[in-house]
Amino acid sequence: AQSVTQPDIHITVSEGASLELRCNYSYGATPYLFWYVQSPGQGLQLLLKYFSGDTLVQGIKGFEAEFKRSQSSFNLRKPSVHWSDAAEYFCAVGSTGGGNKLTFGTGTQLKVEL
Amino acid sequence: DAGVIQSPRHEVTEMGQEVTLRCKPISGHNSLFWYRQTMMRGLELLIYFNNNVPIDDSGMPEDRFSAKMPNASFSTLKIQPSEPRDSAVYFCASSLNSQGRNEKLFFGSGTQLSVL
Repeated sequence: AQSVTQPDIHITVSEGASLELRCNYSYGATPYLFWYVQSPGQGLQLLLKYFSGDTLVQGIKGFEAEFKRSQSSFNLRKPSVHWSDAAEYFCAVGSTGGGNKLTFGTGTQLKVEL
Repeated sequence: DAGVIQSPRHEVTEMGQEVTLRCKPISGHNSLFWYRQTMMRGLELLIYFNNNVPIDDSGMPEDRFSAKMPNASFSTLKIQPSEPRDSAVYFCASSLNSQGRNEKLFFGSGTQLSVL
């Protein structure tokens, strides 16, 4: 069965600092990987996705993520965090076939200090 | 497009009552998902549909939960009877499934359910 682990429940960074959110997945084949962001009281919004090809993927709002098969990781990064990035971030893995079922991690709550 | 529309936004009910959550997916999308979000368990996939057909309902907690998708523009999630442990935010999401792959899920704003 596929699964996702986000080891950091809460992270606090200063505005302008760099950010890395960790994500490890478990899946028997090449996974489809996603990062979603959730603002308070809202549904989730897709930041970026990886299906194949270049292992460094660019997303919206200046985010990027790197797929490392050897480490089963798909960490999210941003070189300079803005106060508006404060939100909860979810990593997800999708199965191939069968309609592509998405399994989400438990999320990382990001706080940005001004 | 108005996006995925869920109703109601908030629902407060008493234990034992029937609860019906509604979802209108984005027009043209052929996959629909119901998720439940709690602090303890995070986001859990309850059930998803492809072309109005339930594909995987293994996440539905028990027989008290049922979901239907009578047509491409409407789905319901029903809990009968409801229990306090059902209190959570329920999200509906839709996607265009192309070549067996859901490239991007669009989420509704959720229904905050409180069962007293």
